[in-house]
Amino acid sequence: GQNIDQPTEMTATEGAIVQINCTYQTSGFNGLFWYQQHAGEAPTFLSYNVLDGLEEKGRFSSFLSRSKGYSYLLLKELQMKDSASYLCAVSNTGKLIFGQGTTLQVKP
Amino acid sequence: GAVVSQHPSWVICKSGTSVKIECRSLDFQATTMFWYRQFPKQSLMLMATSNEGSKATYEQGVEKDKFLINHASLTLSTLTVTSAHPEDSSFYICSAREGTGLRFGQGTRLTVV
Repeated sequence: GQNIDQPTEMTATEGAIVQINCTYQTSGFNGLFWYQQHAGEAPTFLSYNVLDGLEEKGRFSSFLSRSKGYSYLLLKELQMKDSASYLCAVSNTGKLIFGQGTTLQVKP
Repeated sequence: GAVVSQHPSWVICKSGTSVKIECRSLDFQATTMFWYRQFPKQSLMLMATSNEGSKATYEQGVEKDKFLINHASLTLSTLTVTSAHPEDSSFYICSAREGTGLRFGQGTRLTVV
């Protein structure tokens, strides 16, 4: 079966750092993605990890541990516009399976 | 970069009618497209995989006779919601594979009244 878990909601302060965790148990694994989705809009790509370790891209970084079935998305220097849902997705047999998403609220 | 265009962005229809949603890859060929559905405050649920020139592959629990998918060319996939009912009201999003990931269309908000 497929199981991808993320916290439902998180709150952080503008300028701070926040880490959004994702654990997964899937029958196959071809990589892990993070997407950002603002309300009423389509998801936009943030990051992709297929090997263990940290991938850094500007204010956003993503980490993967395949042995632990674990990933996190790190957002630095939070801005109000970062308030959105963050979706963890696992690529398996050519399909992307999404977690339930984490709604992040950034407060002044 | 690769662009996926979805049309319409929103549609309101009467219960019992059918609605067609189009998904086009504008500057690349997509042999495979994916259709997702998203209810409010929930994540994306994969409905089906659309394969050019062959039948779509539906996820468990998705009625293939209700959600008709046609992928007649390398740049166009369509999803038709037949005999729509209020419980079909949702956000439908198509996507096409781009490299190792997916490029999403802008989504279609369907409201059935």
